[in-house]
Amino acid sequence: KNQVEQSPQSLIILEGKNCTLQCNYTVSPFSNLRWYKQDTGRGPVSLTIMTFSENTKSNGRYTATLDADTKQSSLHITASQLSDSASYICVVSADTGFQKLVFGTGTRLLVSP
Amino acid sequence: AAGVIQSPRHLIKEKRETATLKCYPIPRHDTVYWYQQGPGQDPQFLISFYEKMQSDKGSIPDRFSAQQFSDYHSELNMSSLELGDSALYFCASSPRQGTEQYFGPGTRLTVT
Repeated sequence: KNQVEQSPQSLIILEGKNCTLQCNYTVSPFSNLRWYKQDTGRGPVSLTIMTFSENTKSNGRYTATLDADTKQSSLHITASQLSDSASYICVVSADTGFQKLVFGTGTRLLVSP
Repeated sequence: AAGVIQSPRHLIKEKRETATLKCYPIPRHDTVYWYQQGPGQDPQFLISFYEKMQSDKGSIPDRFSAQQFSDYHSELNMSSLELGDSALYFCASSPRQGTEQYFGPGTRLTVT
């Protein structure tokens, strides 16, 4: 069964600190992995997209890593800001001809002043 | 830059009524996806269209139907609404199949 699991479920950090979110997946055949940021009641916004051959990709203060062998990914946020408070969703795409996305349940991050 | 447009943003309906949600993809995007996200849940894929033809089908109830029009906008029609249909409905578009999906702001449907 295709699954995407994220940890922790929720996280509170102080403004300016770094944090790392984890994603484990069992999706086959793997096509790509995406990290999305979703503010409450808003549509997910793409942060990074990584294919099988990519190990790391950065987008500003966000750095995603991918280990396709262990089927794990992480999202590292550097120097957190209050605006980083949101849900971060790991989404893995199964290449079944038409891309089907398997969503993780997300990590809810709260950055406090 | 133009984004995915969804309308309405909020919709309140009563049980057994019908609702139509609209999605306008980013210009030159030919693929549209619909997702349903219940409270505290991850988005669930409903259905997708490529070049006005249904390309994939997920957990879309038989009470729902959708189509993509010649201008590539898509409509999700929901009939015999149930309380459990209350959710955020997201539309996403991509420039072609298998590429990055860009999500719209969503339509919040409340069924009372």
